[in-house]
Amino acid sequence: DAGVIQSPRHEVTEMGQEVTLRCKPISGHDYLFWYRQTMMRGLELLIYFNNNVPIDDSGMPEDRFSAKMPNASFSTLKIQPSEPRDSAVYFCASSLGTWAGELFFGEGSRLTVL
Amino acid sequence: QQQVKQSPQSLIVQKGGISIINCAYENTAFDYFPWYQQFPGKGPALLIAIRPDVSEKKEGRFTISFNKSAKQFSLHIMDSQPGDSATYFCAATLMNRDDKIIFGKGTRLHILP
Repeated sequence: DAGVIQSPRHEVTEMGQEVTLRCKPISGHDYLFWYRQTMMRGLELLIYFNNNVPIDDSGMPEDRFSAKMPNASFSTLKIQPSEPRDSAVYFCASSLGTWAGELFFGEGSRLTVL
Repeated sequence: QQQVKQSPQSLIVQKGGISIINCAYENTAFDYFPWYQQFPGKGPALLIAIRPDVSEKKEGRFTISFNKSAKQFSLHIMDSQPGDSATYFCAATLMNRDDKIIFGKGTRLHILP
């Protein structure tokens, strides 16, 4: 299996622009998670899906952030409009059956908002 | 109650030495404690995990020590190697309730050659 695939790996944009990050989870996994990593705050859970349904989006920082999972093999995290404080590495992860066990992370999307 | 506190933030160890990272939790209901390892430019990956019914788990040079009464657990890396240089995250969750994983803030480990 190719693992969790994220794109783009790097994104540099200007404040106010829309950013869309993409994720393809491991085939067969029924949980999908979006995390944000910064030096100050570590790994923050933004939102997670179970069987394509958003379960908990309490970690989404504000209305500028939205996430969708239209099917079992694709998810997007959108930031509109982007701000410099959104600069971080965004990770997608997937797992099979439960939180516990193992989360499989993608390699991340490094976002820089100027 | 949902926090996992991890220390130190960063750690430098000589090659061949023992690296020790500590974590403390508050929720006594947590029953699964994984450690994740993250290399630069990569996502975290599961390294080793422990349930609270055992006090220690060893996999190669990596050992988790668990102290249920103190609500603390730690990762020991024996004979530390430069290839172990990475960021390590401890975590905690409730297996049976299918609850969120709570991550510590991470420890950046650097092993001097």
